[in-house]
Amino acid sequence: AQSVTQLDSQVPVFEEAPVELRCNYSSSVSVYLFWYVQYPNQGLQLLLKYLSGSTLVESINGFEAEFNKSQTSFHLRKPSVHISDTAEYFCAVSGGGFKTIFGAGTRLFVKA
Amino acid sequence: DAGVTQSPTHLIKTRGQQVTLRCSPKSGHDTVSWYQQALGQGPQFIFQYYEEEERQRGNFPDRFSGHQFPNYSSELNVNALLLGDSALYLCASSLGRGNSPLHFGNGTRLTVT
Repeated sequence: AQSVTQLDSQVPVFEEAPVELRCNYSSSVSVYLFWYVQYPNQGLQLLLKYLSGSTLVESINGFEAEFNKSQTSFHLRKPSVHISDTAEYFCAVSGGGFKTIFGAGTRLFVKA
Repeated sequence: DAGVTQSPTHLIKTRGQQVTLRCSPKSGHDTVSWYQQALGQGPQFIFQYYEEEERQRGNFPDRFSGHQFPNYSSELNVNALLLGDSALYLCASSLGRGNSPLHFGNGTRLTVT
Protein backbone atom coordinates (compact mmCIF):
# COMPACT_ATOMS: atom_id res chain seq x y z
CA ALA A 1 0.00 0.00 0.00
CA GLN A 2 1.11 3.54 -0.64
CA SER A 3 0.63 6.62 1.47
CA VAL A 4 1.53 10.29 1.41
CA THR A 5 2.21 12.50 4.42
CA GLN A 6 2.32 16.26 4.14
CA LEU A 7 4.01 17.41 7.29
CA ASP A 8 2.50 20.90 7.51
CA SER A 9 -1.20 21.67 7.29
CA GLN A 10 -0.60 25.42 6.99
CA VAL A 11 2.43 27.48 6.03
CA PRO A 12 2.23 31.26 6.43
CA VAL A 13 5.04 33.20 4.76
CA PHE A 14 5.76 36.80 3.77
CA GLU A 15 5.85 37.83 0.15
CA GLU A 16 9.28 37.40 -1.52
CA ALA A 17 10.42 34.99 1.19
CA PRO A 18 11.45 31.40 0.38
CA VAL A 19 9.15 28.51 1.19
CA GLU A 20 9.36 24.73 1.49
CA LEU A 21 6.33 22.45 1.62
CA ARG A 22 7.26 19.03 2.92
CA CYS A 23 6.06 15.70 1.57
CA ASN A 24 7.02 12.15 2.53
CA TYR A 25 5.68 8.99 0.95
CA SER A 26 5.77 5.28 1.58
CA SER A 27 5.66 2.62 -1.10
CA SER A 28 6.95 -0.87 -1.69
CA VAL A 29 7.32 -0.28 -5.43
CA SER A 30 8.78 2.36 -7.68
CA VAL A 31 6.73 5.53 -7.61
CA TYR A 32 5.80 8.50 -9.68
CA LEU A 33 5.42 11.71 -7.72
CA PHE A 34 3.36 14.83 -8.32
CA TRP A 35 2.53 18.19 -6.83
CA TYR A 36 -0.88 19.67 -7.57
CA VAL A 37 -2.23 23.12 -6.66
CA GLN A 38 -5.83 23.97 -5.89
CA TYR A 39 -7.20 27.51 -5.90
CA PRO A 40 -10.51 28.28 -4.13
CA ASN A 41 -13.58 26.74 -5.76
CA GLN A 42 -11.53 25.02 -8.43
CA GLY A 43 -10.22 21.56 -9.21
CA LEU A 44 -6.59 20.57 -8.87
CA GLN A 45 -3.96 21.60 -11.42
CA LEU A 46 -0.70 19.76 -12.02
CA LEU A 47 2.25 21.83 -10.80
CA LEU A 48 5.11 19.42 -11.50
CA LYS A 49 5.89 15.73 -11.76
CA TYR A 50 8.70 13.24 -11.27
CA LEU A 51 8.48 10.17 -13.48
CA SER A 52 12.15 9.24 -13.98
CA GLY A 53 15.51 10.77 -14.77
CA SER A 54 16.73 13.92 -13.04
CA THR A 55 15.64 14.02 -9.42
CA LEU A 56 15.14 17.79 -9.54
CA VAL A 57 12.04 18.89 -11.40
CA GLU A 58 10.80 22.41 -12.04
CA SER A 59 7.53 24.13 -12.87
CA ILE A 60 7.02 27.07 -15.20
CA ASN A 61 6.20 29.45 -12.34
CA GLY A 62 9.35 29.00 -10.27
CA PHE A 63 8.53 26.02 -8.04
CA GLU A 64 10.87 23.05 -7.86
CA ALA A 65 10.83 19.69 -6.12
CA GLU A 66 13.52 17.13 -5.50
CA PHE A 67 12.94 13.39 -5.38
CA ASN A 68 14.98 11.87 -2.55
CA LYS A 69 14.64 8.09 -2.66
CA SER A 70 16.67 7.40 0.50
CA GLN A 71 14.52 9.76 2.55
CA THR A 72 11.32 8.95 0.63
CA SER A 73 10.65 12.65 0.25
CA PHE A 74 9.50 15.01 -2.48
CA HIS A 75 9.59 18.48 -0.93
CA LEU A 76 8.34 21.49 -2.88
CA ARG A 77 10.35 24.74 -2.79
CA LYS A 78 10.20 28.24 -4.18
CA PRO A 79 12.95 30.82 -3.56
CA SER A 80 10.60 33.83 -3.59
CA VAL A 81 6.81 33.58 -3.24
CA HIS A 82 4.13 35.96 -4.51
CA ILE A 83 0.70 36.79 -3.17
CA SER A 84 -0.74 34.85 -6.10
CA ASP A 85 0.89 31.63 -4.82
CA THR A 86 -1.64 31.52 -1.99
CA ALA A 87 -3.43 28.20 -2.50
CA GLU A 88 -3.70 24.61 -1.29
CA TYR A 89 -0.88 22.32 -2.42
CA PHE A 90 -1.22 18.54 -2.64
CA CYS A 91 1.53 15.98 -2.93
CA ALA A 92 0.53 12.77 -4.72
CA VAL A 93 2.01 9.37 -5.55
CA SER A 94 1.17 6.64 -8.03
CA GLY A 95 2.84 3.34 -8.82
CA GLY A 96 2.14 -0.37 -8.70
CA GLY A 97 -1.43 0.22 -9.84
CA PHE A 98 -3.59 2.79 -11.53
CA LYS A 99 -4.75 5.07 -8.75
CA THR A 100 -3.07 8.26 -7.56
CA ILE A 101 -2.99 8.81 -3.81
CA PHE A 102 -3.07 12.33 -2.41
CA GLY A 103 -1.83 13.82 0.83
CA ALA A 104 -4.04 15.90 3.09
CA GLY A 105 -2.74 19.15 1.62
CA THR A 106 -0.77 22.18 2.80
CA ARG A 107 -2.38 25.58 2.78
CA LEU A 108 0.20 28.18 1.71
CA PHE A 109 -0.75 31.68 2.82
CA VAL A 110 1.44 34.47 1.46
CA LYS A 111 1.25 37.71 3.42
CA ALA A 112 2.10 41.19 2.10
CA ASP B 1 -9.26 22.34 -26.47
CA ALA B 2 -11.87 21.68 -23.80
CA GLY B 3 -10.62 20.47 -20.49
CA VAL B 4 -12.50 18.25 -18.07
CA THR B 5 -16.08 19.37 -17.57
CA GLN B 6 -18.37 18.32 -14.75
CA SER B 7 -22.06 18.82 -14.16
CA PRO B 8 -23.82 20.02 -12.19
CA THR B 9 -21.59 22.43 -10.27
CA HIS B 10 -23.73 22.35 -7.15
CA LEU B 11 -26.35 19.95 -5.88
CA ILE B 12 -28.46 19.72 -2.74
CA LYS B 13 -30.05 16.38 -1.85
CA THR B 14 -31.85 14.85 1.11
CA ARG B 15 -30.68 11.81 3.07
CA GLY B 16 -31.73 8.59 1.41
CA GLN B 17 -31.95 10.05 -2.08
CA GLN B 18 -29.85 9.09 -5.06
CA VAL B 19 -27.60 11.34 -7.14
CA THR B 20 -25.85 11.16 -10.52
CA LEU B 21 -22.83 13.28 -11.35
CA ARG B 22 -21.45 13.61 -14.85
CA CYS B 23 -18.00 14.11 -16.33
CA SER B 24 -16.58 14.69 -19.80
CA PRO B 25 -12.86 14.03 -20.04
CA LYS B 26 -10.23 16.19 -21.68
CA SER B 27 -10.03 15.62 -25.42
CA GLY B 28 -7.79 12.66 -26.19
CA HIS B 29 -8.02 11.12 -22.73
CA ASP B 30 -9.45 7.63 -22.29
CA THR B 31 -9.38 7.15 -18.50
CA VAL B 32 -11.62 8.73 -15.88
CA SER B 33 -11.04 8.71 -12.13
CA TRP B 34 -13.41 9.96 -9.46
CA TYR B 35 -12.37 11.47 -6.15
CA GLN B 36 -14.22 12.66 -3.06
CA GLN B 37 -12.78 15.71 -1.32
CA ALA B 38 -14.25 16.53 2.08
CA LEU B 39 -13.78 20.03 3.44
CA GLY B 40 -10.16 20.60 4.46
CA GLN B 41 -9.04 17.18 3.25
CA GLY B 42 -7.16 15.75 0.31
CA PRO B 43 -8.97 13.96 -2.51
CA GLN B 44 -9.89 10.36 -1.73
CA PHE B 45 -9.88 7.88 -4.62
CA ILE B 46 -13.29 6.36 -5.36
CA PHE B 47 -12.66 4.41 -8.58
CA GLN B 48 -11.20 4.56 -12.06
CA TYR B 49 -12.78 3.65 -15.40
CA TYR B 50 -10.96 2.55 -18.51
CA GLU B 51 -12.44 0.95 -21.62
CA GLU B 52 -15.89 1.17 -20.02
CA GLU B 53 -14.89 -0.99 -17.06
CA GLU B 54 -14.03 -0.24 -13.45
CA ARG B 55 -10.29 -0.81 -13.36
CA GLN B 56 -9.57 -0.05 -9.72
CA ARG B 57 -11.63 0.88 -6.69
CA GLY B 58 -10.86 2.69 -3.46
CA ASN B 59 -12.31 2.06 -0.03
CA PHE B 60 -15.86 3.18 -0.74
CA PRO B 61 -19.08 1.21 -0.19
CA ASP B 62 -21.15 -0.29 -2.97
CA ARG B 63 -23.52 2.68 -2.72
CA PHE B 64 -20.97 4.37 -4.95
CA SER B 65 -21.11 3.11 -8.52
CA GLY B 66 -20.10 4.41 -11.88
CA HIS B 67 -20.18 4.01 -15.58
CA GLN B 68 -18.05 4.95 -18.56
CA PHE B 69 -19.55 5.43 -21.99
CA PRO B 70 -18.01 4.68 -25.41
CA ASN B 71 -17.14 8.38 -25.81
CA TYR B 72 -15.12 8.10 -22.54
CA SER B 73 -17.51 10.30 -20.56
CA SER B 74 -18.45 8.99 -17.15
CA GLU B 75 -21.08 9.07 -14.43
CA LEU B 76 -20.82 8.66 -10.69
CA ASN B 77 -23.93 7.40 -8.91
CA VAL B 78 -24.42 7.48 -5.16
CA ASN B 79 -27.42 5.70 -3.64
CA ALA B 80 -28.99 6.07 -0.19
CA LEU B 81 -27.20 9.35 0.50
CA LEU B 82 -25.82 9.98 3.98
CA LEU B 83 -24.93 13.30 5.57
CA GLY B 84 -21.29 12.21 5.40
CA ASP B 85 -21.46 12.07 1.61
CA SER B 86 -21.45 15.88 1.53
CA ALA B 87 -18.24 16.79 -0.28
CA LEU B 88 -16.68 18.10 -3.47
CA TYR B 89 -16.66 15.33 -6.07
CA LEU B 90 -13.82 15.63 -8.53
CA CYS B 91 -13.48 13.95 -11.87
CA ALA B 92 -10.03 13.56 -13.39
CA SER B 93 -9.08 12.29 -16.80
CA SER B 94 -5.79 10.87 -18.03
CA LEU B 95 -4.25 8.61 -20.63
CA GLY B 96 -4.30 4.88 -19.97
CA ARG B 97 -0.90 4.58 -18.31
CA GLY B 98 -0.81 4.51 -14.51
CA ASN B 99 1.81 7.27 -14.29
CA SER B 100 -0.06 9.69 -16.49
CA PRO B 101 -0.81 12.99 -14.71
CA LEU B 102 -4.43 13.72 -13.88
CA HIS B 103 -6.41 16.60 -15.36
CA PHE B 104 -9.20 17.69 -13.04
CA GLY B 105 -12.54 19.31 -13.53
CA ASN B 106 -13.77 21.99 -11.13
CA GLY B 107 -15.91 19.47 -9.29
CA THR B 108 -19.49 19.06 -8.16
CA ARG B 109 -20.30 20.35 -4.68
CA LEU B 110 -22.82 17.92 -3.14
CA THR B 111 -24.66 18.91 0.00
CA VAL B 112 -26.78 16.28 1.76
CA THR B 113 -29.32 17.60 4.26
